[in-house]
Parts: sequence; structure tokens; C-alpha cells
Amino acid sequence: EPEVTQTPSHQVTQMGQEVILRCVPISNHLYFYWYRQILGQKVEFLVSFYNNEISEKSEIFDDQFSVERPDGSNFTLKIRSTKLEDSAMYFCASSEARDKNGLFFGSGTQLSVL
Amino acid sequence: AQTVTQSQPEMSVQEAETVTLSCTYDTSESDYYLFWYKQPPSRQMILVIRQEAYKQQNATENRFSVNFQKAAKSFSLKISDSQLGDAAMYFCAYRDYGGATNKLIFGTGTLLAVQP
Repeated sequence: EPEVTQTPSHQVTQMGQEVILRCVPISNHLYFYWYRQILGQKVEFLVSFYNNEISEKSEIFDDQFSVERPDGSNFTLKIRSTKLEDSAMYFCASSEARDKNGLFFGSGTQLSVL
Repeated sequence: AQTVTQSQPEMSVQEAETVTLSCTYDTSESDYYLFWYKQPPSRQMILVIRQEAYKQQNATENRFSVNFQKAAKSFSLKISDSQLGDAAMYFCAYRDYGGATNKLIFGTGTLLAVQP
């Protein structure tokens, strides 16, 4: 069964450093998303991406965040200068279309900012 | 803006028994989708069941079923014959159909414990 793949599974970084989280969405999917979940809290929407541009972003997704689809398979989230409060599980998700099948999530990247 | 509310932070059920998790939502849209996701300790997000708002028939997937009450904006999940592997955080989620956004909006989750 196709799946969304995220790397790395864990990332430890120092405050102020740049990190790039990587995702390979399901190959025939057209919509891509990043969500984050601080431990014990709800899953929060960050950004959605379609047709090589951001289609929607939340207030969390400020100038420190960016997304990119550098080639036909990868979808990345970059945090330019990490803060302690960026520590969270980051989930990548994809969907085929605006349909009933929901989003398919990767297994997440746990980001720890020290 | 659409919101999803799960009023039960924690629930507990005996193995082989039935449990119902509650979810309410708020939207001005008439067409949308509703989902339940399971998040076990591994933190993987797993789709359990989905419901299209235009369908009156409640969705069923094996031991999982929903009670969808559109007028009341209620979408509860029933787990029958509970198993130890059902222990997880369960999130209710909403998605617009054909609107300006197609993101999923999640509730705060219900942590389900299954007692042997």
C-alpha cells in the first residue's frame, strides 16, 4: 500500500539553527500538507501546497517557515531559525484531491530544539 | 470558521465492551466530510472511518461505526468489542467539500484506555 514517507524520524537541533524536514508524498497525490503536534496537544495545520504554490497557511506559518517541492517527489518544510517552541512532532500529509478519502499522514518527524 | 470539539479528554473501556467517543463541530457549510483518526503511542495518524455529510447512512468499518446527526452537528464514534490494540488517542476531524480550503481541522482528541 502506498504511504507517505518522512525523514528523519528524529531531529535534534540547537536554537537558532536551520532545519529541513523531508517528505515523499504518495506519488499520484496532488495536495500536500504540513501539520504539527506539540506533545499532548491537538494536531495543528501549518500549510497546504498545490500546483507548486502555497494554497493556504495558518498563523503559525510565519516568515521563519517555508515549503518547497524541489523535484517531482519530495516536499520539504524549512524552519530558518528554530525556537524552543518549535519543538514538536511534524507530520506531512498528502491527498489525491478534494475528496472523501481524507489525508494520508506520514509517521512524523520529532523535532527537538535545545 | 469551522471548529471541532471533543468534550471527553479521556475514556476507559473494558476489553470486549463497547465505547462511544463524542464529537461536535460547527460549520455553515452543507457539504463536508468528517473523519476519525487514531493515534497510537507510535504517534502515527491512522484513518479509522469517514463520513460524507450528504449521506444519511452512518458509515461502518468492521468494529467501528459512527452516529452522524447532521442537524445536531454531532459525529460520534462507536467501537464495539474493544480490543487492547484500540488503546490510542482518537481525533475527530472536519474537511470542507469544494470550498476555499481543503485542510483537515482536528478536535483536541480523546485518549482511550482499554482495560483487560
